[in-house]
Amino acid sequence: DAGVIQSPRHEVTEMGQEVTLRCKPISGHNSLFWYRQTMMRGLELLIYFNNNVPIDDSGMPEDRFSAKMPNASFSTLKIQPSEPRDSAVYFCASSLGTGDTDTQYFGPGTRLTVL
Amino acid sequence: GQNIDQPTEMTATEGAIVQINCTYQTSGFNGLFWYQQHAGEAPTFLSYNVLDGLEEKGRFSSFLSRSKGYSYLLLKELQMKDSASYLCAVLDSNYQLIWGAGTKLIIKP
Repeated sequence: DAGVIQSPRHEVTEMGQEVTLRCKPISGHNSLFWYRQTMMRGLELLIYFNNNVPIDDSGMPEDRFSAKMPNASFSTLKIQPSEPRDSAVYFCASSLGTGDTDTQYFGPGTRLTVL
Repeated sequence: GQNIDQPTEMTATEGAIVQINCTYQTSGFNGLFWYQQHAGEAPTFLSYNVLDGLEEKGRFSSFLSRSKGYSYLLLKELQMKDSASYLCAVLDSNYQLIWGAGTKLIIKP
């Protein structure tokens, strides 16, 4: 399998612009997770989906962030408008189910820089 | 609240053994994971423990004591490529993964 695929790998944008991050989970996985990682705050869960339905979005920082999963093979995380404090690495991960199948497999991440 | 504690940083010598500890307090328990993350890369799965005891995988072993809320990751015959951060994560009663802040392991020649 190709693993979790994320695009773009790097994004540099200016404050106020809209940013869209994309993720393709591993085929057959039922859960998808969006994380943000910074040196200061470590790995933070933003939102996760189970069978394409958002289950917990309590980690989404504010209304500027939104996530969708229109089908089992695609998800987006959108930031509008972006701010310099959104600069971080954004990881998408997917997992199969419960117990040890909850092992999450991470994509390579998108390094976002907001100037 | 839910809490996972790991040392922030550890240093060890190439060829030696190092033990990275993790203690947790969570609402329920459905397993504990260890992940490795090299600088600039994504976390990758190392091990999963749900029963007490030691699980061995080559140079890496992971131990769990549920009664003590404690786990450790043991790395033997350290190699320079083992320099990375090691993340402990616990699956709580709602099957949500609670992440520790990670331990940065520095290997010296």
